[in-house]
Amino acid sequence: AQSVTQPDIHITVSEGASLELRCNYSYGATPYLFWYVQSPGQGLQLLLKYFSGDTLVQGIKGFEAEFKRSQSSFNLRKPSVHWSDAAEYFCAVGAGDSNYQLIWGAGTKLIIKP
Amino acid sequence: DAMVIQNPRYQVTQFGKPVTLSCSQTLNHNVMYWYQQKSSQAPKLLFHYYDKDFNNEADTPDNFQSRRPNTSFCFLDIRSPGLGDAAMYLCATSRRTGGWTEAFFGQGTRLTVV
Repeated sequence: AQSVTQPDIHITVSEGASLELRCNYSYGATPYLFWYVQSPGQGLQLLLKYFSGDTLVQGIKGFEAEFKRSQSSFNLRKPSVHWSDAAEYFCAVGAGDSNYQLIWGAGTKLIIKP
Repeated sequence: DAMVIQNPRYQVTQFGKPVTLSCSQTLNHNVMYWYQQKSSQAPKLLFHYYDKDFNNEADTPDNFQSRRPNTSFCFLDIRSPGLGDAAMYLCATSRRTGGWTEAFFGQGTRLTVV
């Protein structure tokens, strides 16, 4: 069955430190991969996506993610976090070609220590 | 700016009293989605429209209905809200062109049932 796993429910990082959020997927075909961010009480904003090509993708707000097919992973990284990065981060996989259903991870809540 | 707008941002309704949430878009996208998101959970797809074609998820309760009178607008009707329907409701849009594209989300409507 198709699934997305974000193994960390919460991550606490000091401001200015580097960040890596993990995402593993289970999907038989070529995945379409997304990272979204959600600030409290807000909608979701697309950070970046991977469809094909270069496996290292750059997104908004200084984020990047690397697709590793051999590990079925699409981890999100940022070299130096800011207090404004505190939010919930969702990884999602585009599954199928008939109804364009997104399979979502459970989310990782990022907490920034001053 | 082209965007997805949800109204209202906050809605309080009485138990059992019908309520309608609205979504409009200026992106001219052919697909519109409604998601339900409960606290600290991933969004759950309720249904989506591809143009005028309605696609209901198998586990969406009959209490939830949707209308899409034109390309720009989509409504979510909850016929008899229960306490368990209190959640954030997210509208999203995408352009289906034969391949995957990202979804754009509105700011959400927070529904409280009293």
